[in-house]
Amino acid sequence: EAQVTQNPRYLITVTGKKLTVTCSQNMNHEYMSWYRQDPGLGLRQIYYSMNVEVTDKGDVPEGYKVSRKEKRNFPLILESPSPNQTSLYFCASGLNSNQPQHFGDGTRLSIL
Amino acid sequence: AQKVTQAQTEISVVEKEDVTLDCVYETRDTTYYLFWYKQPPSGELVFLIRRNSFDEQNEISGRYSWNFQKSTSSFNFTITASQVVDSAVYFCALSEAYNTDKLIFGTGTRLQVFP
Repeated sequence: EAQVTQNPRYLITVTGKKLTVTCSQNMNHEYMSWYRQDPGLGLRQIYYSMNVEVTDKGDVPEGYKVSRKEKRNFPLILESPSPNQTSLYFCASGLNSNQPQHFGDGTRLSIL
Repeated sequence: AQKVTQAQTEISVVEKEDVTLDCVYETRDTTYYLFWYKQPPSGELVFLIRRNSFDEQNEISGRYSWNFQKSTSSFNFTITASQVVDSAVYFCALSEAYNTDKLIFGTGTRLQVFP
């Protein structure tokens, strides 16, 4: 079954404690991206990756890092999380940015 | 720069009413792609439609239809005879073919269909 898998689904943590949200896809897609969803702001792209070792900033990259060492995985790293990063996060993959994206089920992060 | 505007924050209708969700976009690229996604109360994001900038034909899929008008930079979505199951947040999105590989979403429209 084609899918994008994010983990964890829910996380409550404290300011400054590094965390990683994993994302994996099994469709051999080259394009992967991360979004955050906040009330009234819709989905905002954090980072995207066109292929292995190729990543670029989206519209809200501050405070986040990503890596793309393998085609299937695209982890989102918060090195020093802060309360303003409390949000619902989605990972997505597609053949490229011009094709339909497949989304993970979302990760709800709460930073206290 | 890319921009997508969904001016309607929330719409409420009664079942069987028709409803149109507006989407206005900005782009400098001559080739671009427009999308609609649905996010039901369960939270997942579901792809509905993709349209490229060279295809202005309207699309109909069951009770759903899309009206793409380049002259007004709009890609509106109409649900005919709405049903309770249509209750969701709907997002319009834009990607450009050449300028950037970003995918930009609008702020979404929450549709509530009451029985």
